Amino acid sequence: GAGVSQSPSNKVTEKGKDVELRCDPISGHTALYWYRQSLGQGLEFLIYFQGNSAPDKSGLPSDRFSAERTGGSVSTLTIQRTQQEDSAVYLCASSLAGRQGETQYFGPGTRLLVL
Amino acid sequence: EDQVTQSPEALRLQEGESSSLNCSYTVSGLRGLFWYRQDPGKGPEFLFTLYSAGEEKEKERLKATLTKKESFLHITAPKPEDSATYLCAVCSGNTPLVFGKGTRLSVIA
Repeated sequence: GAGVSQSPSNKVTEKGKDVELRCDPISGHTALYWYRQSLGQGLEFLIYFQGNSAPDKSGLPSDRFSAERTGGSVSTLTIQRTQQEDSAVYLCASSLAGRQGETQYFGPGTRLLVL
Repeated sequence: EDQVTQSPEALRLQEGESSSLNCSYTVSGLRGLFWYRQDPGKGPEFLFTLYSAGEEKEKERLKATLTKKESFLHITAPKPEDSATYLCAVCSGNTPLVFGKGTRLSVIA
């Protein structure tokens, strides 16, 4: 079946502009996660959605970052007033039910470059 | 705080030269240890999940093992197509994963 999809694949923007990144999880998966992968760094957790529960936003680096998930499926990560340090690969993952130790399946990522 | 350390950072092997990658972890209560493979420009691809010390899993030329402090990814007779970055991650009760920085494996024909 179809895996996690993300769009756009690549995004180049100017410092100070807002960007929106989209994630479409695996059909039937109720848990959705956003991670960031910077050059030379490991994957860093950003935010987690599970069903209709309030999202876990503990990994968001600043209030310029926000995310929403509509209808329990598609999610959008928004970065306002982008900075050069926001340049990274943004990865989305989904899992079946969000249980502890459950396998997360990743999308191909969105490569963001802030000039 | 959960921590994951992978070694070596980079590994270069000749085709057929077996070796092992290490993932050392400190967690408050392990709920799962995950191995992923990541090719350049792509997202991580799931390989294995291990849940308890002593557990082993195999897939083709790869075998993952787990102790109470570390996991090994053994690569037997590697081929050039095994070249990738291998990522280790742990889950300790909070569902977001904590990742190591990965090991970049190059297999030379």
